[in-house]
Amino acid sequence: ETGVTQTPRHLVMGMTNKKSLKCEQHLGHNAMYWYKQSAKKPLELMFVYSLEERVENNSVPSRFSPECPNSSHLFLHLHTLQPEDSALYLCASSQEIARGPDTQYFGPGTRLTVL
Amino acid sequence: GQNIDQPTEMTATEGAIVQINCTYQTSGFNGLFWYQQHAGEAPTFLSYNVLDGLEEKGRFSSFLSRSKGYSYLLLKELQMKDSASYLCAVSDSNYQLIWGAGTKLIIKP
Repeated sequence: ETGVTQTPRHLVMGMTNKKSLKCEQHLGHNAMYWYKQSAKKPLELMFVYSLEERVENNSVPSRFSPECPNSSHLFLHLHTLQPEDSALYLCASSQEIARGPDTQYFGPGTRLTVL
Repeated sequence: GQNIDQPTEMTATEGAIVQINCTYQTSGFNGLFWYQQHAGEAPTFLSYNVLDGLEEKGRFSSFLSRSKGYSYLLLKELQMKDSASYLCAVSDSNYQLIWGAGTKLIIKP
């Protein structure tokens, strides 16, 4: 596979469920990102990892828990979500961060619906 | 605060030209990106401008005026496949991307 992949593509969960989103990049990049995309709103940056170390956490509720076991994989663990968390969750990667404006490459996203 | 403004929706005709504007107010500036996003798909990189002027890439061109905090994306010879959302994003002083809400472009035959 090439580029950035995400699984699952669609997820429906109840508010008491626990689920995880997975992202994998095949580009040899060092930085990975989680974004939330809601209809007619700007992309919201949630978390940034550089070389497996979290460097950004934009006041995201603790019901979202990221994990980056290595520079190619990124997870977003979900528990006790709210209906307003329903959105498209996008993963992205870039060569580096904070050393210049790097182009980010996105995965296709996971469409999450919380009932 | 930081802000990116772009029109919510635009409509154009196949074969025509359309210009999508983006204005920004950010803490610092390290370049401006345009991305294309088809419905249900990943945003894909179109262009990057850091100096004033016009960058041309095939049917797509992107313009930047740093003094005016303004950019536009120009699409020529529109095709039906150009129907998508176009996202403007600015790299701020910390190299964090600040995103606009996107412009949905509808192409009619």
